Amino acid sequence: QSVLTQPPSASGAPGQSVTISCSGHNSNIKSNYVYWYQQLPGTAPKLLIYSDYERPSGVPDRFSASKSGTSASLAISGLRSDDEADYYCATWDDNLSGSWVFGGGTRLTVL
Amino acid sequence: QVQLRESGPGLVKPSETLSLTCAVSGGSITDYYWSWIRQSPGKGLQWIGYIYHTGHTNYNPSLKSRVTMSLDTSRSQVSLTLISVTAADTAVYYCANVGGVSDSWGQGTLVRVSS
Repeated sequence: QSVLTQPPSASGAPGQSVTISCSGHNSNIKSNYVYWYQQLPGTAPKLLIYSDYERPSGVPDRFSASKSGTSASLAISGLRSDDEADYYCATWDDNLSGSWVFGGGTRLTVL
Repeated sequence: QVQLRESGPGLVKPSETLSLTCAVSGGSITDYYWSWIRQSPGKGLQWIGYIYHTGHTNYNPSLKSRVTMSLDTSRSQVSLTLISVTAADTAVYYCANVGGVSDSWGQGTLVRVSS
């Protein structure tokens, strides 16, 4: 069971928008920056969002994120077929001796 | 951005010790915290722990009793040792620098635990 809770799946048609949620606790999401990763099949995770809502260079502005209290969310607009991947939220958890914790992951299907 | 490359045996017998090495290039090993993260087949990501060049470590409480990480600054290498492995330790193991804009991951190495 993951410390951060994500829906196991999400879907949307090309061109549409989808939002993936990540629920945590005061000790993790509320107290620390949230990060979002995209993992394509057979590859290492790639950073999409850092420090709650910042995009690394090269990540399209179709990807955006927000945080409120103990929850965070990743929004993807203008869905493309190559957005089909697993998405993970992550952050530090102050209760677990400063452990890095992940959500269980959300598999995004582009219909 | 730093490049990371994991290496080590792809097959380990149950009850034995898993040992992996991560080669760091394109940056200084003293600049970041180095994490090991694993992913069992078809499953999510699990953080194993991190090490800093000072020797400071922090391990996942669920693995703490079996994990040791070390760092060789002269060779720019980070190492992971996991003792008393079982089939549940079968996973792709990643070396990574997480928690910042300079986030970077190795390509991962699959380790199977089987007799």
